[in-house]
Amino acid sequence: KAGVTQTPRYLIKTRGQQVTLSCSPISGHRSVSWYQQTPGQGLQFLFEYFSETQRNKGNFPGRFSGRQFSNSRSEMNVSTLELGDSALYLCASSFGPLGYNQPQHFGDGTRLSIL
Amino acid sequence: GESVGLHLPTLSVQEGDNSIINCAYSNSASDYFIWYKQESGKGPQFIIDIRSNMDKRQGQRVTVLLNKTVKHLSLQIAATQPGDSAVYFCAENGGGNKLVFGAGTILRVKS
Repeated sequence: KAGVTQTPRYLIKTRGQQVTLSCSPISGHRSVSWYQQTPGQGLQFLFEYFSETQRNKGNFPGRFSGRQFSNSRSEMNVSTLELGDSALYLCASSFGPLGYNQPQHFGDGTRLSIL
Repeated sequence: GESVGLHLPTLSVQEGDNSIINCAYSNSASDYFIWYKQESGKGPQFIIDIRSNMDKRQGQRVTVLLNKTVKHLSLQIAATQPGDSAVYFCAENGGGNKLVFGAGTILRVKS
């Protein structure tokens, strides 16, 4: 069974640009969550999508947004990029939504660097 | 609260010894806990989970212990191997339908 797939693996952008990251969950999984990982802040929750609906959102500005498609694939968008957005962005999937006591399975992330 | 990554604590063990990685969680309402392993250049990998109605759960070479009285979680790895070297995170489902991650512990296995 294929794991969570994130594309691209690496991305370099400049300040002010926007970026879209993609995540394909494990087959059959309907919940997709996004996390930001940095050396200074660790792993922080961005948002979760389940059945194409955003269920929960972390403490991030509105520049961070996402969506989920009917096949459970998800995209995350960051607009007006800032230097502080440089991070590893991780996607995780699970069969049921967060709060249903099931483990999330992570992809290997997209490394975003802002110049 | 939210995960705060500062200087991660490091645990160095000799190959073949047992490792114990500790985690203190903050929310007494948390009812589900997970341990993850993250190797360099990869995403976190699920190791083992435990629900709050249990105080111990065993997997292959790993055991998780939960002490709700003092809000403490530990991961025990038996016969630690070089391939166990990684950063280990605990995570709690503390309500609000999101996982909150600890800062992580670096495990270094000496051959």
